[in-house]
Amino acid sequence: RKEVEQDPGPFNVPEGATVAFNCTYSNSASQSFFWYRQDCRKEPKLLMSVYSSGNEDGRFTAQLNRASQYISLLIRDSKLSDSATYLCVVNSLSNYQLIWGAGTKLIIKP
Amino acid sequence: DAGVTQSPTHLIKTRGQQVTLRCSPKSGHDTVSWYQQALGQGPQFIFQYYEEEERQRGNFPDRFSGHQFPNYSSELNVNALLLGDSALYLCASSLVAEDPAFGQGTRLTVV
Repeated sequence: RKEVEQDPGPFNVPEGATVAFNCTYSNSASQSFFWYRQDCRKEPKLLMSVYSSGNEDGRFTAQLNRASQYISLLIRDSKLSDSATYLCVVNSLSNYQLIWGAGTKLIIKP
Repeated sequence: DAGVTQSPTHLIKTRGQQVTLRCSPKSGHDTVSWYQQALGQGPQFIFQYYEEEERQRGNFPDRFSGHQFPNYSSELNVNALLLGDSALYLCASSLVAEDPAFGQGTRLTVV
């Protein structure tokens, strides 16, 4: 079983729609959680950290469920520019490395 | 304030050759991590350098080695290149309590 699992997609979504991704992680000792966005052939860029209480940044909302060991990302009013691959990342205090999912590809259609 | 810079941006090598990739961390960052991202996959941790020493290593063979210099810059060396080493190599620099910053990556193609 992979340490971090994501649905690879692609998710084909019409512009303006709401889309949600989930990600599950296997290490219950994981402490830090992130969503990164990666455009084709570019480096990943931090979209948002995920906090226990959930957090929102504009059209983006992230949630963490420690009991079920998953995190989610919700994108409202999707834009064409949201088309990208979204990577789920976890980290534990005792481990210096970031553990990455393989990413979920999102395609926003006009 | 310069972010993380990696060189070269693209590289083509032949099987069996050796390659050195370079990374300059973001100003003020003292830790450098290297990741390998194969096509369609998430980045995989290679190793992390702190205070000029390898602090942690991922599941990569000894053909992958690195170095960190006193100015915190770092090199990743790969010996005896295989076709499967073709990937985007990402360098991330960080400081305690700060999110890591990523370079634009070096795209290595082994033919």
